[in-house]
Amino acid sequence: EVQLVESGGGLVQPGRSLRLSCAASGFTFDDYAMHWVRQAPGKGLEWVSGISWNSGSIGYADSVKGRFTISRDNAKNSLYLQMNSLRAEDTALYYCAKDVAAAHGYYFDYWGQGTLVTVSS
Amino acid sequence: EIVLTQSPATLSLSPGERATLSCGASQSVSSSYLAWYQQKPGLAPRLLIYDASSRATGIPDRFSGSGSGTDFTLTISRLEPEDFAVYYCQQYGSSPVTFGQGTKLEIK
Repeated sequence: EVQLVESGGGLVQPGRSLRLSCAASGFTFDDYAMHWVRQAPGKGLEWVSGISWNSGSIGYADSVKGRFTISRDNAKNSLYLQMNSLRAEDTALYYCAKDVAAAHGYYFDYWGQGTLVTVSS
Repeated sequence: EIVLTQSPATLSLSPGERATLSCGASQSVSSSYLAWYQQKPGLAPRLLIYDASSRATGIPDRFSGSGSGTDFTLTISRLEPEDFAVYYCQQYGSSPVTFGQGTKLEIK
């Protein structure tokens, strides 16, 4: 059974940093690209970042480019999102999502339950 | 980036009725690379349709997708009580992938 479990969310002040993690199991992690998708309270889905199976290709939404860094550790079956210079508009539930392909940029067949990030003073 | 516009924003129907949800793209979606997701309150999105018309594993055949270019449709042939949720379309034909703003399907 595929499982994606996010952690690391919480309340953080504007301008500070936070690191999210996603622990994957139930599939061959290094065969697939992975993504972070967020959902602000009461709003729709927004793709944040994606990373290919070998970290050779990475993409970011314009809204987070230069502030967020995605990474993965295939030995630990884990995905990460380092979020710096956080803003109030980054407040959202952050989902880890599995791509259907090794290269990022397709659709997502499994999602975690999400971890909530709240940016507020 | 490709902007996806879903209509209507809210659709009020009764169980047993047919639902038709639309997703329009600001430019042509390459190779019909369009997916549909269902999201219920407090839960993560669930993949329903990919490649515009292929059902994901375990999705009932009352769900169907169609369309190409800039106009796509998700049809639910006979609504079941568990189908009332928010539906999102997503294009993956060009980078960055983008989502529509969602259609809320509510019980009339």
